[in-house]
Amino acid sequence: GQNIDQPTEMTATEGAIVQINCTYQTSGFNGLFWYQQHAGEAPTFLSYNVLDGLEEKGRFSSFLSRSKGYSYLLLKELQMKDSASYLCAVMDSNYQLIWGAGTKLIIKP
Amino acid sequence: GAVVSQHPSRVICKSGTSVKIECRSLDFQATTMFWYRQFPKQSLMLMATSNEGSKATYEQGVEKDKFLINHASLTLSTLTVTSAHPEDSSFYICSARSGDNQETQYFGPGTRLLVL
Repeated sequence: GQNIDQPTEMTATEGAIVQINCTYQTSGFNGLFWYQQHAGEAPTFLSYNVLDGLEEKGRFSSFLSRSKGYSYLLLKELQMKDSASYLCAVMDSNYQLIWGAGTKLIIKP
Repeated sequence: GAVVSQHPSRVICKSGTSVKIECRSLDFQATTMFWYRQFPKQSLMLMATSNEGSKATYEQGVEKDKFLINHASLTLSTLTVTSAHPEDSSFYICSARSGDNQETQYFGPGTRLLVL
């Protein structure tokens, strides 16, 4: 079956760095996405990785290892507004998104 | 980036009534639209995939007679929750994808449904 695993909840301190991991097993692979979702809102796109390596975009970076079925989202210089759920999603061979359950990130001052 | 709208953003209805939610792609043609449901503190659950001009493909466990999906044009898809019950209360989100770019889905802002 298809499976996406990520931690349920993480806590970090304002100004610090946090890494959210995601492992996956899917039928086919057409890329891995990270989305941010604030409570009561729809997800917003953060990053897309289809090749191995690190993609950096400002304070956020995303890494992918296809051979390991592994990705992480790295958030630097954490701000209070970064408190949200972070969803890992993999696009399978049918171009359908398979979603993880999301990681709730709590930022403390 | 591409914009997807949903209407209404919030709806409260009585049990037994039907509710229609619209999803529109405002600046691109959406050959495929997806409907998701999200319960509190849970991830998105794909309900169905609709391609313009054809019948929607429903995920296992989703009742097609209860959740009617119409994708009549390249910019509009509707989800009708028929005979709504309190357990249908949820956050419904649509996303749209153009044929040119299969890797990208653009999400609507979501519709919060509360059935009393």
